[in-house]
Amino acid sequence: QKEVEQNSGPLSVPEGAIASLNCTYSDRGSQSFFWYRQYSGKSPELIMSIYSNGDKEDGRFTAQLNKASQYVSLLIRDSQPSDSATYLCAVPYAGGFKTIFGAGTRLFVKA
Amino acid sequence: GAGVSQSPSNKVTEKGKDVELRCDPISGHTALYWYRQSLGQGLEFLIYFQGNSAPDKSGLPSDRFSAERTGGSVSTLTIQRTQQEDSAVYLCASSLDFGGRAPGYEQYFGPGTRLTVT
Repeated sequence: QKEVEQNSGPLSVPEGAIASLNCTYSDRGSQSFFWYRQYSGKSPELIMSIYSNGDKEDGRFTAQLNKASQYVSLLIRDSQPSDSATYLCAVPYAGGFKTIFGAGTRLFVKA
Repeated sequence: GAGVSQSPSNKVTEKGKDVELRCDPISGHTALYWYRQSLGQGLEFLIYFQGNSAPDKSGLPSDRFSAERTGGSVSTLTIQRTQQEDSAVYLCASSLDFGGRAPGYEQYFGPGTRLTVT
């Protein structure tokens, strides 16, 4: 059974702080990893993709991947109240399109 | 350009009726996915289509669910003899196909269809 695990939260951080969201996955062969943001009542929106070990930065977002530990994380710097949402980790099965989504971590950024 | 579109946005149906949900992917995207999201829950994979390959139907919860994709573009998800547990938001997504290489699999979602079975 392929699994993607996330802490459900809620994770509460003050405005301006760094929010750290974590995800572990079971399929060692997976090569692509994605973070989606989902506001309440809306559909998921792709915010980060990462394919290689290490860090990938895009604005206030940094994705970190460690394939040996089967761990991927998302850091949000200078958190804003508008970042309050559920963040979903997504991992396609190795060699295919079937994608498993984690249950999501709810983030609250307090003004 | 235009994103993924879905129709209807909301559907209320009586238990036992059949429903059809439509998805129009981003132009040029060869992969199309259907997911279900129940209230407060995560995304449940249902089915995907990729190019001319046979669809992966492994996520369909029962034989009341079926999907087709005509002409490699528009897809229809059909639920027969709807049950109350079918009530959920049905999400469609599409992506490019790079044969498994980056940046393949980046999925773009439509706004969803909220299905309520009474």
